[in-house]
Amino acid sequence: GAGVSQSPSNKVTEKGKDVELRCDPISGHTALYWYRQSLGQGLEFLIYFQGNSAPDKSGLPSDRFSAERTGGSVSTLTIQRTQQEDSAVYLCASSFGGSGSEKLFFGSGTQLSVL
Amino acid sequence: AQSVTQLGSHVSVSEGALVLLRCNYSSSVPPYLFWYVQYPNQGLQLLLKYTSAATLVKGINGFEAEFKKSETSFHLTKPSAHMSDAAEYFCAVSAFSNFGNEKLTFGTGTRLTIIP
Repeated sequence: GAGVSQSPSNKVTEKGKDVELRCDPISGHTALYWYRQSLGQGLEFLIYFQGNSAPDKSGLPSDRFSAERTGGSVSTLTIQRTQQEDSAVYLCASSFGGSGSEKLFFGSGTQLSVL
Repeated sequence: AQSVTQLGSHVSVSEGALVLLRCNYSSSVPPYLFWYVQYPNQGLQLLLKYTSAATLVKGINGFEAEFKKSETSFHLTKPSAHMSDAAEYFCAVSAFSNFGNEKLTFGTGTRLTIIP
């Protein structure tokens, strides 16, 4: 595709339900990031995939959060037993990776609202 | 591990005035430094980046930033503000070390308001 695609664009869920957020990176990009953007909190790093290396999961806030990247392409971020504090915009970004100096291309994000 | 600190969560300048957004970084290895911008209701996009070449980096829309190792700073400037510059600006840092690529870490952002 032309850019990073995220779905759904909006998700409203009830507290305690599980949600899955999807990211389709730009074809050929080896690096993929998930960030969370909350009002006044900036961009909070969640997880980083780089090629076949073990992902950097150091930003996941709790064991309710997990992510996978299948076949080095599509990624899914799963939040189990959602809480109201999980409400935020979840952003996915990808790049060619390699050296850390590459430009990130961001998706439009998924706005998650937990009621 | 790297980190960045953006001084001032909100900055207001008059149209035509100098824009200065501050960013200080911490890194144990030579860093790569970035400024990203998020215009209202739009996604984040790269404004400029420093990757160990010239210390004065020019970006889009008349912005530039200077890498100052002695001050561990990478402040963003624009000589004359335009109404269209109103946005949120994020400083970010990454690096390449013996352990591989370091993740890109963002600051908390600075919201720039332009006063007519």
